Amino acid sequence: AQTVTQSQPEMSVQEAETVTLSCTYDTSESDYYLFWYKQPPSRQMILVIRQEAYKQQNATENRFSVNFQKAAKSFSLKISDSQLGDAAMYFCAYRSAVGSEKLVFGKGTKLTVNP
Amino acid sequence: NAGVTQTPKFRILKIGQSMTLQCTQDMNHNYMYWYRQDPGMGLKLIYYSVGAGITDKGEVPNGYNVSRSTTEDFPLRLELAAPSQTSVYFCASSYDRGRYEQYFGPGTRLTVT
Repeated sequence: AQTVTQSQPEMSVQEAETVTLSCTYDTSESDYYLFWYKQPPSRQMILVIRQEAYKQQNATENRFSVNFQKAAKSFSLKISDSQLGDAAMYFCAYRSAVGSEKLVFGKGTKLTVNP
Repeated sequence: NAGVTQTPKFRILKIGQSMTLQCTQDMNHNYMYWYRQDPGMGLKLIYYSVGAGITDKGEVPNGYNVSRSTTEDFPLRLELAAPSQTSVYFCASSYDRGRYEQYFGPGTRLTVT
């Protein structure tokens, strides 16, 4: 079974600075998808960024980018120019390309942005 | 589009009571999911559906039932509520499997006492 590990329960960053959230996963599959979801205090889960395992190029969405290391099974999220609105729980998630429909989530990292 | 809507937002149940959590999506998505989120944990899949009339168990299905009679609706039934079912419940939908984004509802906070 696949597992997702987020080793940083909490992180903090100063406004306008850069922070990196870590995620590692365990799988025997070669084709899969990885996601970062944001959960603000409102509880609404919002997709931040996704990565297809077959793509070597790291995904980027505005201030958010990932460092995808397939051999190391690592999928970190970098937030540049942090804003107060980035404060939230961030969840890393794995989804198989075939078979199981489920998203496998890590336990999350709570990000605090200090003004 | 309203996206994915869930009712109620909050509910307190007594042990042994039953209830149905409602979920509706207006995006014409075939895939729908129910997750639960326990404190300090990520979400775990309870049940999912790949289309009207088709449902399947996820990771933690015990104590729950689902049905999918229409594309839009995917209710979750709790029978004989237990304290272990105290959690936040999220419904989600997606256009297809794989790379497609799952859109989440706002969640239902359920307490069983």
